[in-house]
Amino acid sequence: SAVISQKPSRDICQRGTSLTIQCQVDSQVTMMFWYRQQPGQSLTLIATANQGSEATYESGFVIDKFPISRPNLTFSTLTVSNMSPEDSSIYLCSVARAQTPEAFFGQGTRLTVV
Amino acid sequence: QKEVEQDPGPLSVPEGAIVSLNCTYSNSAFQYFMWYRQYSRKGPELLMYTYSSGNKEDGRFTAQVDKSSKYISLFIRDSQPSDSATYLCAMRNRGSTLGRLYFGRGTQLTVWP
Repeated sequence: SAVISQKPSRDICQRGTSLTIQCQVDSQVTMMFWYRQQPGQSLTLIATANQGSEATYESGFVIDKFPISRPNLTFSTLTVSNMSPEDSSIYLCSVARAQTPEAFFGQGTRLTVV
Repeated sequence: QKEVEQDPGPLSVPEGAIVSLNCTYSNSAFQYFMWYRQYSRKGPELLMYTYSSGNKEDGRFTAQVDKSSKYISLFIRDSQPSDSATYLCAMRNRGSTLGRLYFGRGTQLTVWP
């Protein structure tokens, strides 16, 4: 498994502002992902965070709105930019290693935009 | 059609009951099948995973995969109030990006004493 620390755990933000969410893993991992979880919905993949290069975004998500960094094998950030109430959701960091097929999750960031 | 379908419930059972949670999927390339448990205000926690078809047991939990029917199940025996959570099925195919999973919506389970 992996110990994943995600910060902040929750926040209430004003519309038009930006929030950066951090994800720190206790050991090196191969892959890091960012998901969004809206009430009653399945987890939706936002992007794959690539170490040392631009993230790979899923359809419907763009870099200008969700810039992602991954400077090393244990750390990544997701920024939610120019927020609107529609961005209110839970954002989850997920990691995976090359040797196993599972993925592990952080505790999530509960974001409310007012 | 979504790739993974899961009845969201809610499902409410008495303590000690056997719980059956199910997902269906459309992508025949899926090879790895996982079940996550998510308590309120927490991240998903991996319960177990299976590869291809068959059964896997871990304590009170049994996971079953029927690839011919594209159907997976999680059984919980002797359910406890502490099992009350949302259960998410997830899957991936062998050739897809490592760790990139496709999720069901989750089934909300309540076990009452």
